[in-house]
Amino acid sequence: DIQMTQSPSSVSASVGDRVTITCRASQGIASWLAWYQQKPGKAPKFLIYAASSLQSGVPSRFSGSESGTDFTLTISSLQPEDFATYYCQQANSLPRTFGQGTKVEIK
Amino acid sequence: QVQLQESGPGLVKPSGTLSLTCAVSGGSISSDNWWSWVRQPPGKGLEWIGEIYHSGSTNYNPSLKSRVTISVDKSKNQFSLKLSSVTAADTAVYYCARILSNYFDYWGQGTLVSVSS
Repeated sequence: DIQMTQSPSSVSASVGDRVTITCRASQGIASWLAWYQQKPGKAPKFLIYAASSLQSGVPSRFSGSESGTDFTLTISSLQPEDFATYYCQQANSLPRTFGQGTKVEIK
Repeated sequence: QVQLQESGPGLVKPSGTLSLTCAVSGGSISSDNWWSWVRQPPGKGLEWIGEIYHSGSTNYNPSLKSRVTISVDKSKNQFSLKLSSVTAADTAVYYCARILSNYFDYWGQGTLVSVSS
């Protein structure tokens, strides 16, 4: 199985801050990576696919990048509605696996 | 706009079988997509359970494969999950989701299933 390791597990930030979350794959997955946002009591929301492509309707303050087996989700200017938990998911091979999540909290 | 809705018992006894159904609306289950189940124990992360294609082909997580069956009912535009020999460790919110190009693009709202006597 491909293990996905996210860091940090939580981050405290203020509105307007730039936030960066990292996801490392245990082996090469090319660009087969997605990011999801989950708010308490809600289903995950699909944000980014193919490491850096924004899903339709997702604000442009969200962006994704990759470097080898390291992937990054960046929120350029944190908004109140962005406080949530973020998960990465590798889409390269079965079984499909997720990172353990990064909680973005209000400072 | 595709919508998915999970349904089924919210309480299952230990050693019993968990059964859930996901109704798909706004799209056909016979489209070129896989249909999946994902679960999330309280306060924890996401775990992929398995998936099915409208032809009946399935893929399962090896960690659950011996206990999982996913089936499809094209006439009702829905698919189902059965998880046998459940324990408290199977208590979780269960989500159904559509897979597009290996990504989960549409999700149901989720349903909490507790395993308790």
